Amino acid sequence: DAKTTQPNSMESNEEEPVHLPCNHSTISGTDYIHWYRQLPSQGPEYVIHGLTSNVNNRMASLAIAEDRKSSTLILHRATLRDAAVYYCILGLGGATNKLIFGTGTLLAVQP
Amino acid sequence: GAVVSQHPSWVICKSGTSVKIECRSLDFQATTMFWYRQFPKQSLMLMATSNEGSKATYEQGVEKDKFLINHASLTLSTLTVTSAHPEDSSFYICSARVAGVYTGELFFGEGSRLTVL
Repeated sequence: DAKTTQPNSMESNEEEPVHLPCNHSTISGTDYIHWYRQLPSQGPEYVIHGLTSNVNNRMASLAIAEDRKSSTLILHRATLRDAAVYYCILGLGGATNKLIFGTGTLLAVQP
Repeated sequence: GAVVSQHPSWVICKSGTSVKIECRSLDFQATTMFWYRQFPKQSLMLMATSNEGSKATYEQGVEKDKFLINHASLTLSTLTVTSAHPEDSSFYICSARVAGVYTGELFFGEGSRLTVL
């Protein structure tokens, strides 16, 4: 399984944008880039995913580098409820394919 | 959105007993479910892939006789921790995708915290 590298932790101020980076230099052509987040003592929550093009949804934006070796999750206005561990995961397309979690980035949001 | 429910949310048991954790997809069918384990301050570790109507596929290093997985219907998978010991104490989380549809989204349960005394 291709690996991802994320900073262990990041800090942000409330209502400011947050850019969470992820490096995946060994990504293959069929790997999707997934982002999930996990609040303490809860199961992970889907944030966004993409293959080649940048993606936007109600939670966040995903910017994918042209060579696909890195990506950035963008939270446009961080709130206190966005404080969580954010995981960047590579996974094959398809309903049966598994996701292998890395260490993730612990995002702290200051009021 | 789709909901995955786990039961129980937490359980305390004595060493040597077996514990069953249920994972249900409440409003969708899931031919495949995944079981993860998470120790404090660590990431999720994939234990096994549960396939409806067939045997589960275990990740390397996970004892299939220790962690019994049954996926008898399209909405229910169970994980039984047999002869539990204190080192099995962990947060167990299941997840599922909607059968037949790839949206990239994996729906996770709330997790089940097991404490073995």
